[in-house]
Amino acid sequence: TQLLEQSPQFLSIQEGENLTVYCNSSSVFSSLQWYRQEPGEGPVLLVTVVTGGEVKKLKRLTFQFGDARKDSSLHITAAQPGDTGLYLCAERSGTYKYIFGTGTRLKVLA
Amino acid sequence: EAQVTQNPRYLITVTGKKLTVTCSQNMNHEYMSWYRQDPGLGLRQIYYSMNVEVTDKGDVPEGYKVSRKEKRNFPLILESPSPNQTSLYFCASRGQSNEQFFGPGTRLTVL
Repeated sequence: TQLLEQSPQFLSIQEGENLTVYCNSSSVFSSLQWYRQEPGEGPVLLVTVVTGGEVKKLKRLTFQFGDARKDSSLHITAAQPGDTGLYLCAERSGTYKYIFGTGTRLKVLA
Repeated sequence: EAQVTQNPRYLITVTGKKLTVTCSQNMNHEYMSWYRQDPGLGLRQIYYSMNVEVTDKGDVPEGYKVSRKEKRNFPLILESPSPNQTSLYFCASRGQSNEQFFGPGTRLTVL
């Protein structure tokens, strides 16, 4: 079974700081998704990356897919309190199964 | 409004008392799925359904049942709940794209 490891597990930073969180796999991803989950809610999809080396930007969030498609990163520039939440990576394994990482819990202090 | 709804949102029950958590989506999605979320373990897939009357096991199906009699509904059934099924449960649906839409979650406590 493919495992997705995320690091760090917890991150507490001041407003305005930059940060990067990572998602690593024991094998090659077919595609990778990043989700954000806020307290009391379900995860919400942020982005899907498919091609090795791919970079996608969503406002202050930059997502990168490793060249070998075994790792991915999420970089947040000038973090804001509204970025607080649990960030999850997930791989679609085949057509119908999904494997999620353990998550990075981010807290941005005002 | 396009959404996935779950009921109940919170449930406290006792060991062995059968329960059902309902899930409904209004987006005409063929694919639906159930997950449980536990601290340090992330989201783990319990069961999924590719269409009406078609279901399959995810990674942690033991102790759970599902049914898909209608496209919009995908209930999760715990025939004899045990304390290790205490968890936060999420239902999700997906259309033609790769985007899953999640419900708000059901927090279940089994005493």
